[in-house]
Amino acid sequence: GENVEQHPSTLSVQEGDSAVIKCTYSDSASNYFPWYKQELGKRPQLIIDIRSNVGEKKDQRIAVTLNKTAKHFSLHITETQPEDSAVYFCASPNGSSNTGKLIFGQGTTLQVKP
Amino acid sequence: NAGVTQTPKFQVLKTGQSMTLQCAQDMNHNSMYWYRQDPGMGLRLIYYSASEGTTDKGEVPNGYNVSRLNKREFSLRLESAAPSQTSVYFCASRMDRDRNGYTFGSGTRLTVV
Repeated sequence: GENVEQHPSTLSVQEGDSAVIKCTYSDSASNYFPWYKQELGKRPQLIIDIRSNVGEKKDQRIAVTLNKTAKHFSLHITETQPEDSAVYFCASPNGSSNTGKLIFGQGTTLQVKP
Repeated sequence: NAGVTQTPKFQVLKTGQSMTLQCAQDMNHNSMYWYRQDPGMGLRLIYYSASEGTTDKGEVPNGYNVSRLNKREFSLRLESAAPSQTSVYFCASRMDRDRNGYTFGSGTRLTVV
């Protein structure tokens, strides 16, 4: 089955700096890669996703890049702000994407220092 | 439009007790999921239901059962709770076929003593 590895487990940056979180996956057939943000005590929320037919997708200060050859995808946050502090999870489909099952990475705790 | 609603929000059980976690969605989603979240381990799939009337095991199904009561409701049952089941449980449902993102419920924090 699919395996998703996420790094780093913790990341601390100064406000205004960029943050990058990387995930690797094992199933070359995987075709959908979402990122979720979970604030302390809250539910995970989808912030951006990418499909395997594109290499990059941007939404304001966040972007996701995908390297299918190397089987890794990354979340980029520019001009970080204190409200970006949260746990971020990457995910990849487990088995047939029609079931919607996702395998999640272990999570990255991002701390943005004011 | 409440999205995905989970009850209860908090629960403490004694070892061996049983309980059912409730989940309901009002977005007319076909697929629903139960995940557990433990520190340093991300979210792990317990059971899922791709459509009304069907359920399947995920990564960590042992000790749990589920019921897809109708299209809106998907419950998770612990028949004999164990301390290893202490966790935060999230229910989720999925948007339409062209968009695979989940909508999560607010979670149930369960402690088994």
